[in-house]
Amino acid sequence: DTGVSQNPRHKITKRGQNVTFRCDPISEHNRLYWYRQTLGQGPEFLTYFQNEAQLEKSRLLSDRFSAERPKGSFSTLEIQRTEQGDSAMYLCASSPQFLLNEKLFFGSGTQLSVL
Amino acid sequence: AQTVTQSQPEMSVQEAETVTLSCTYDTSESDYYLFWYKQPPSRQMILVIRQEAYKQQNATENRFSVNFQKAAKSFSLKISDSQLGDAAMYFCAYRSAVSGGSNYKLTFGKGTLLTVNP
Repeated sequence: DTGVSQNPRHKITKRGQNVTFRCDPISEHNRLYWYRQTLGQGPEFLTYFQNEAQLEKSRLLSDRFSAERPKGSFSTLEIQRTEQGDSAMYLCASSPQFLLNEKLFFGSGTQLSVL
Repeated sequence: AQTVTQSQPEMSVQEAETVTLSCTYDTSESDYYLFWYKQPPSRQMILVIRQEAYKQQNATENRFSVNFQKAAKSFSLKISDSQLGDAAMYFCAYRSAVSGGSNYKLTFGKGTLLTVNP
């Protein structure tokens, strides 16, 4: 069990640039989640994948955000035309099956700073 | 929409002592799940304990236990025999069990930063 891996760990970008984050879930985990955490706040749900299907998207995920999970393995989260308000930590989590009391396995996050 | 409130931004405890972290939530649903997650400086969130709302018995996991008061919508976490490794941010979270609703997501509180003094 190598855990959930997120890359890069830190990303600094200029306003208006595009950025892409990658999440590698635990092998054979078919559920994958993205959350966003800003300073002093708890994580907020962004989107959820079951295998390659994106089943739910939060209204927080504006048109500038897109997430994919090709082949139901790793996932990418892209932010286009970044804004300073996008500065946050982006967390990925996975689980082996959908249970309402499921334990989510989180990665260490990607910390995004938009200058 | 459900909300989760953690009224203690920071708490401290002496090593080997007991500390209780508070959490209240607001929901109109009768079926749901509650969780406590720990986020150490490594940033990786780790599940500490979980509680099903339909269970009256409070969940326990080794030194961690909860006091679940459904009518009061309260879900506090008690850490016994505190250890230096318990120092972290602790988040309370809610998950709906209503089918067809937003039961994919966890709704988190703002967290409580726990310091353990040697």
